[in-house]
Amino acid sequence: NAGVTQTPKFQVLKTGQSMTLQCAQDMNHNSMYWYRQDPGMGLRLIYYSASEGTTDKGEVPNGYNVSRLNKREFSLRLESAAPSQTSVYFCASVEASSYNEQFFGPGTRLTVL
Amino acid sequence: DAKTTQPTSMDCAEGRAANLPCNHSTISGNEYVYWYRQIHSQGPQYIIHGLKNNETNEMASLIITEDRKSSTLILPHATLRDTAVYYCIVRVYNNAGNMLTFGGGTRLMVKP
Repeated sequence: NAGVTQTPKFQVLKTGQSMTLQCAQDMNHNSMYWYRQDPGMGLRLIYYSASEGTTDKGEVPNGYNVSRLNKREFSLRLESAAPSQTSVYFCASVEASSYNEQFFGPGTRLTVL
Repeated sequence: DAKTTQPTSMDCAEGRAANLPCNHSTISGNEYVYWYRQIHSQGPQYIIHGLKNNETNEMASLIITEDRKSSTLILPHATLRDTAVYYCIVRVYNNAGNMLTFGGGTRLMVKP
C-alpha cells in the first residue's frame, strides 16, 4: 500500500495563476481532507469530503475549490493564486466508521510569488 | 471541539521517558483525546487516542485524569527520532467526518 500520495511535491506559482493539487489514497477510506500549514503553525482544515460525492468547507475555504473525483481521489484547486496561499498543503484520509487515525500524505510545498 | 493548551517546547534526554502534558478543561463527555506528532517537514502521524481510560500501544501511553480535564502522553524511552512537534487534539466523532483541529503543539527535542 502506498497510503496517501500527493502531487506535486513542490510548486512555485505567480500571483493569479491557477493549479490543482492532487491527492490519492489506496486504503479504501471514505473520508478525505485538505489542510494547510503555514510556517510555525498547526494545520488548518480547508475542505473535507465525508464520502464520495460530498464536500464541505472547513476552517479556511476561501480561495479554494475541491473535487472528490471518486473514492480514491480528492483534488484541491487554486483558481487565482495569491501570496497568502504560500503554505504546505497536506491531504489526509480516514475510514469514517472508525474512531481511529487520519493518514496524512507527505505534503505539497507551494510558493506564490 | 474543546480547546487544548500545551507547553510550547520541552527537552528530554535520550533513553529517558518523555512526559508531554495537555490541558483540556472544557472537554465534553463525548470528546476523545487524540495525540499526533509531526516530524520535520512530514505529514502528521497518529500516535494514540482515548476517551477516559488510560491507553497504551507500541508507540506510547496516554494517561487521562479522572475528571478528564488533562492528559499526559508518555514516550517511555525517547530516542532522537522522537524529536517532533506533538499535537494534543480533542474532538467529537460526528457523521460529517473525523475532523481534527490542530493547535500549536509541543516541540519536543530529544537530546543525546
